[in-house]
Amino acid sequence: DSGVTQTPKHLITATGQRVTLRCSPRSGDLSVYWYQQSLDQGLQFLIQYYNGEERAKGNILERFSAQQFPDLHSELNLSSLELGDSALYFCASSVVPGLAAGELFFGEGSRLTVL
Amino acid sequence: AQKVTQAQTEISVVEKEDVTLDCVYETRDTTYYLFWYKQPPSGELVFLIRRNSFDEQNEISGRYSWNFQKSTSSFNFTITASQVVDSAVYFCALNRGNYQLIWGAGTKLIIKP
Repeated sequence: DSGVTQTPKHLITATGQRVTLRCSPRSGDLSVYWYQQSLDQGLQFLIQYYNGEERAKGNILERFSAQQFPDLHSELNLSSLELGDSALYFCASSVVPGLAAGELFFGEGSRLTVL
Repeated sequence: AQKVTQAQTEISVVEKEDVTLDCVYETRDTTYYLFWYKQPPSGELVFLIRRNSFDEQNEISGRYSWNFQKSTSSFNFTITASQVVDSAVYFCALNRGNYQLIWGAGTKLIIKP
């Protein structure tokens, strides 16, 4: 158990809909990262927050947004969903924002299926 | 450009055999970090090792060992006396100290009893 909690574990929805994925980082971790794992694109970095502020953006679509709340949990919002958004979405956390500081602890992922 | 190549898409061995997973990376940075993660069938990503570019010392952890060679830009992972529980997808990843990991495509390892 990494200590990173993601909900929901599975989600099935229709095209055009909007969903919210939630992540609670490990206790004491201030930095949260979102990754997408899809069959065609593999693992890709989406976005990172540190102590409530956005720190870095990767290949995140404009239809997607995220935020980190004062209690440090984070939410990833996916809107106007398309079939291609079907993927496993991972949240990860670390104590400090730079990955040089140590390992990245991943949650179990939220599997999104868009029909 | 940074890139991680895991040329072996799938490897299948019989239990107790040794197996090596290859990882070749590309970067122009002098400071960078390399990682290995395991993704078992349950789906979570499990951290295995992190190595920085200044530390070429090989590492052994039980049945796992890692060989880091800057001269060939490789960071290979060997499992000795493989077990069925080692069956998983293994990812190699590269980070240059910023906020995002560059991932290889993964190698699916199947250990047959």
